[in-house]
Amino acid sequence: DAKTTQPNSMESNEEEPVHLPCNHSTISGTDYIHWYRQLPSQGPEYVIHGLTSNVNNRMASLAIAEDRKSSTLILHRATLRDAAVYYCILSQAGGTSYGKLTFGQGTILTVHP
Amino acid sequence: GAVVSQHPSWVICKSGTSVKIECRSLDFQATTMFWYRQFPKQSLMLMATSNEGSKATYEQGVEKDKFLINHASLTLSTLTVTSAHPEDSSFYICSAPGGENADTQYFGPGTRLTVL
Repeated sequence: DAKTTQPNSMESNEEEPVHLPCNHSTISGTDYIHWYRQLPSQGPEYVIHGLTSNVNNRMASLAIAEDRKSSTLILHRATLRDAAVYYCILSQAGGTSYGKLTFGQGTILTVHP
Repeated sequence: GAVVSQHPSWVICKSGTSVKIECRSLDFQATTMFWYRQFPKQSLMLMATSNEGSKATYEQGVEKDKFLINHASLTLSTLTVTSAHPEDSSFYICSAPGGENADTQYFGPGTRLTVL
């Protein structure tokens, strides 16, 4: 499986933008880039995903490098409720591994009031 | 949006007993569900894939006779931890693909198992 690399932790102030980086230099052409986050003592929550083009939804934006070897999750205005572990995961659509997610250690985001 | 529930949210049991955890997709059908385990301060680890109408497939190192999985319907998968021991104490989380977006996984809230 293609692996991802994320910083162990990041900090932000409330109402400021947060850029969470992810490196995936061995990504294959059929790998989607997914982001999930996990609040303490809860199951992970889907944030956003993309293949090649940048993506926006109500939670965040995903900026994907042109060579797809890295991506950045952007939280436009961090709130205290955004404090969580953020996971960047590669997943193939279809095939025997479809739906199976390999979680790394993720990035612990701390948001200061 | 797609919702996945788990029951119970927490359970405490004595060593040697069996515990059943339910995972339900509330507003969509799931022919496949996934079971993960998460130890304190660690990341999620995939245990097995639950398949409706057929046997579950287990990840390497996961004992299928200890972690029994039954996918009884298109909305329900159960994980039974048999003869539980303290080392089985963990946070068990299920997920199901689909709802609005078949490429994404929707996770349950997790079940905290403590074996005394």
